[in-house]
Amino acid sequence: QVQLQESGPGLVKPSQTLSLTCTVSGGSISSGSYYWSWIRQPAGKGLEWIGRIYTSGSTNYNPSLKSRVTISVDTSKNQFSLKLSSVTAADTAVYYCGWGDTVTTIDYWGQGTLVTVSS
Amino acid sequence: DIQMTQSPSTLSASVGDRVTITCRASQSISSWLAWYQQKPGKAPKLLIYKASSLESGVPSRFSGSGSGTEFTLTISSLQPDDFATYYCQQYNSYWGLTFGGGTKVEIK
Repeated sequence: QVQLQESGPGLVKPSQTLSLTCTVSGGSISSGSYYWSWIRQPAGKGLEWIGRIYTSGSTNYNPSLKSRVTISVDTSKNQFSLKLSSVTAADTAVYYCGWGDTVTTIDYWGQGTLVTVSS
Repeated sequence: DIQMTQSPSTLSASVGDRVTITCRASQSISSWLAWYQQKPGKAPKLLIYKASSLESGVPSRFSGSGSGTEFTLTISSLQPDDFATYYCQQYNSYWGLTFGGGTKVEIK
């Protein structure tokens, strides 16, 4: 079974770029037809889908975040990454990576990592 | 964008109760609706996909129904492990995935 682990800085300064990596184990990120997603959840609030990358490398982003988001994949490291630019305090959240074998759901989730935006 | 509205936001129930959570979409989403369970400090877990299909390993007391704009998640007999927050999620080819605001199921 695929397992996912998020990693990256827990503290980012306002206006800087948030960068996170999701390491995939138990399977190859480049095999099969899968969707690799990022989702976030501010403390005490609901879930917000950020975007995803398909095995082929094509991407889809939440239209409300699209101008600031880049998701990429590194098959040599079996990882995919999130970059969110020009962050503000509103971007403080637990960030999850996820996996799905269809475009309609997120079947498995990482444990999540807290990112705080503060000077 | 497509708004997903869940009701109630909080639900108090006892072990053994039948529990129903409603999710409404601001426009038709056919059957592209999923349900997740989230416990405090944990990642969400997929329960139901395509409105009524039970994810492998999920107890049969969970069921989903609906299509178009109105959907329900039912727990036929609430168990101690079911006290959690439940989220609906829609899929749309332009907007991608959108989640509802969540329903917290509390012990009565």
